[in-house]
Amino acid sequence: DVKVTQSSRYLVKRTGEKVFLECVQDMDHENMFWYRQDPGLGLRLIYFSYDVKMKEKGDIPEGYSVSREKKERFSLILESASTNQTSMYLCASTPSRASGTRETQYFGPGTRLLVL
Amino acid sequence: SQKIEQNSEALNIQEGKTATLTCNYTNYSPAYLQWYRQDPGRGPVFLLLIRENEKEKRKERLKVTFDTTLKQSLFHITASQPADSATYLCALGSSGTYKYIFGTGTRLKVLA
Repeated sequence: DVKVTQSSRYLVKRTGEKVFLECVQDMDHENMFWYRQDPGLGLRLIYFSYDVKMKEKGDIPEGYSVSREKKERFSLILESASTNQTSMYLCASTPSRASGTRETQYFGPGTRLLVL
Repeated sequence: SQKIEQNSEALNIQEGKTATLTCNYTNYSPAYLQWYRQDPGRGPVFLLLIRENEKEKRKERLKVTFDTTLKQSLFHITASQPADSATYLCALGSSGTYKYIFGTGTRLKVLA
């Protein structure tokens, strides 16, 4: 069974703090994604990575950065947290193209972040 | 711009009936469409994928149809059970890109 884990289920931070959200997958997936989910807006892609040290901006990258130093780990960084970054953050991964099932996204349990 | 629409209103149905959820899209030519289930406070879980050249896909009590002319997918749960209560998301993907576009989801409640 594919497992995607996220470092925290709930986080409370202060405005201006640097925030690290970590995601780990155990199935040797090449592609990893960070989304945020807000009521009425659905899932919006922040960043994704298709290989170690490779990243591409999604639809809403402003205020965020990412790091992928190892294949299994993808970190989302909020350099200076703001109240409008209060949200549910979801990490996902997909298998490599060669497996034939690249399209299926496996999601972590989510991190609910509150910025005060 | 690309847009996916799912009925934002909750759908309440009686246990044993068939639930039908709709996903419409515009300004997009997807290579495939996916349906996910999401329980409160949890990440989405993949259910079914249907490709642009497929009309229908089934998995146990689930059935998905895909009409690229109407730009619409229908998701059916037959013999629904209270345990099917959740939010259901549709997502579109195309070949050559890693990006997916998600709908906002429809909340289904199956009444015992």
